[in-house]
This record gives sequence, C-alpha cells and structure tokens, in this order.
Amino acid sequence: DAGVTQSPTHLIKTRGQQVTLRCSPKSGHDTVSWYQQALGQGPQFIFQYYEEEERQRGNFPDRFSGHQFPNYSSELNVNALLLGDSALYLCASSPAGRYEQYFGPGTRLTVT
Amino acid sequence: LAKTTQPISMDSYEGQEVNITCSHNNIATNDYITWYQQFPSQGPRFIIQGYKTKVTNEVASLFIPADRKSSTLSLPRVSLSDTAVYYCLVGDSFSGAGSYQLTFGKGTKLSVIP
Repeated sequence: DAGVTQSPTHLIKTRGQQVTLRCSPKSGHDTVSWYQQALGQGPQFIFQYYEEEERQRGNFPDRFSGHQFPNYSSELNVNALLLGDSALYLCASSPAGRYEQYFGPGTRLTVT
Repeated sequence: LAKTTQPISMDSYEGQEVNITCSHNNIATNDYITWYQQFPSQGPRFIIQGYKTKVTNEVASLFIPADRKSSTLSLPRVSLSDTAVYYCLVGDSFSGAGSYQLTFGKGTKLSVIP
C-alpha cells in the first residue's frame, strides 16, 4: 500500500510566478492537509480539504489556494511567488475524524 | 491553543535511554498530547499519543503526570537512526468536518552519537 505521495520532489521558480503542487493521499484517507515548513522551523498549517471543500485554514494569504478532487487527491496553488515562499511543502492525509496524520516526503520549492 | 516548550537540542550516545520533556502549562481538559518524529528531508511521523499516566508502544513511552502540565517522551536504547527532530503537540483544533489541524513548534533536535 503506497503512502502519501507528492510531486514534484523539487521545484525552482522565479518571483511573481505561479506554482502547483500535487498530493495523493494514503489509500482509504479522505482528508488532505497542507503544511509549509521553512528551514529550521516546524511545519505550519496552510489549509485542509475534506469532501472537496476547504474546511480549515491557517494564517496564510489568499495567494495560497487549493483543490481536492473526487478521488481525494489534492493540489496546492501559490500565485505571485515571493522569496519567502521558499520552503518544504508537506501534504498529510488521514481518515475523517482521526487525529493521526500521515505525511508525504514533501516538495522543496525554491523561489529565486 | 496550548503552547508547548521543549529543549531546542539534545545529544545522546548510542544505547542510552533518552527522555525529552515538553511543558504545556495551559493544557485544556480535553487536550491530548502527541509526539511526532521528523527525519531530514522527510515528513513528520506520528510516534505516540496520550491523555494521562503512561502510554507505551513499540517505539516509545509517554509519561504524563497527574497535573498534565508537562509530558516526557522516552526513547529506549537509542541508535544512530533515532537522530531526528521530535515535536510535542497539544491542543490541536478540529472543525467537526475532516480531521485535526496540527500545530507544530520548533521541536527538539536529537543527535545520537556513536
């Protein structure tokens, strides 16, 4: 059984560009959360999707948006990239109502 | 949300028992205490969760005193592969639909020395 998968592994973008990151949850999981982890910091919650709707959102600007598809996979979109958006972006999945979340390996985004 | 305080870093020799303490003075009555482990270039991994007293699984033990204002993660006989960042989480929110929103601090960087 494959765990949480994310693509791409690494990405380099220029300031002002837009980026889309992808996540496939663990089999049987219907809830997907996205986290941003800056170097030396703990992961910070961006938002969570359940039943194709954004259910919770952390303290991130509207430049960060997402989507969940009927097969529970999810995308994270970031518009108008800033240098400060450089980070490891983590996707986590879980069954609804469960605390334990399973994280993917992340996508390393570098903005130059 | 309850705030947690952990040591920034710890060193230990292989084969020793490691105890990482987390302070959470403002823990609420219905809050659970959870620990995650993160290796370099990987996502965090759930280790253990508890509410009070002691919880043990195949990886670690979690000790929680009666006042629940602190907790201690105990790793028995650590090896080099236990080198990682360990996060203590308390009081994560749940909107009622979907799952929990996890709140991570900076964690404790454990370095195991041969």
